[in-house]
Amino acid sequence: ELKVEQNPLFLSMQEGKNYTIYCNYSTTSDRLYWYRQDPGKSLESLFVLLSNGAVKQEGRLMASLDTKARLSTLHITAAVHDLSATYFCAVVLDKIIFGKGTRLHILP
Amino acid sequence: EAGVAQSPRYKIIEKRQSVAFWCNPISGHATLYWYQQILGQGPKLLIQFQNNGVVDDSQLPKDRFSAERLKGVDSTLKIQPAKLEDSAVYLCASSPLGRGTEAFFGQGTRLTVV
Repeated sequence: ELKVEQNPLFLSMQEGKNYTIYCNYSTTSDRLYWYRQDPGKSLESLFVLLSNGAVKQEGRLMASLDTKARLSTLHITAAVHDLSATYFCAVVLDKIIFGKGTRLHILP
Repeated sequence: EAGVAQSPRYKIIEKRQSVAFWCNPISGHATLYWYQQILGQGPKLLIQFQNNGVVDDSQLPKDRFSAERLKGVDSTLKIQPAKLEDSAVYLCASSPLGRGTEAFFGQGTRLTVV
């Protein structure tokens, strides 16, 4: 059974700092998604990673995928308050399995 | 492009009552998912359809939950009878066929069982 683990689960950081969220998974897959969820809202797609070594960037967020290590990272550069949200990774086999999420709080 | 539509947005019921949720996926999307998201947790897949066939329902509590997708378009998810632990947000998502296409989520239905 596929297991998806994110860490940290909670992260409070200052504006302007850099940090990385990690997503480990237990079964070979070469597709992984990152989503953002604001409180009381639905999930917004951020990145689709389709192959080993894939790297995608959007603004202050950059996601990467290492299928050999079964690891994806979401890196935040020079954080701003607007990035406060919960971030989920989701691994794709024949179904999409989500991690527990990382609740990110950026202090102004 | 219209997104995934769900209704109702909110529902409060007493335990042992029944409830139904409706989902209209993005036009042309063959795959439809129902997820349950308990407060503070990640979405948990309940059932996945491809067109009107069930691909995976291994985590659906079949003694009380049922879902159908008639004609491969709209879908309904029903709970009967509801339990307190069913309180959650029920998210519907859809995706087109093909590799590398992410799932697009609706706004969800927040269910409170009292």
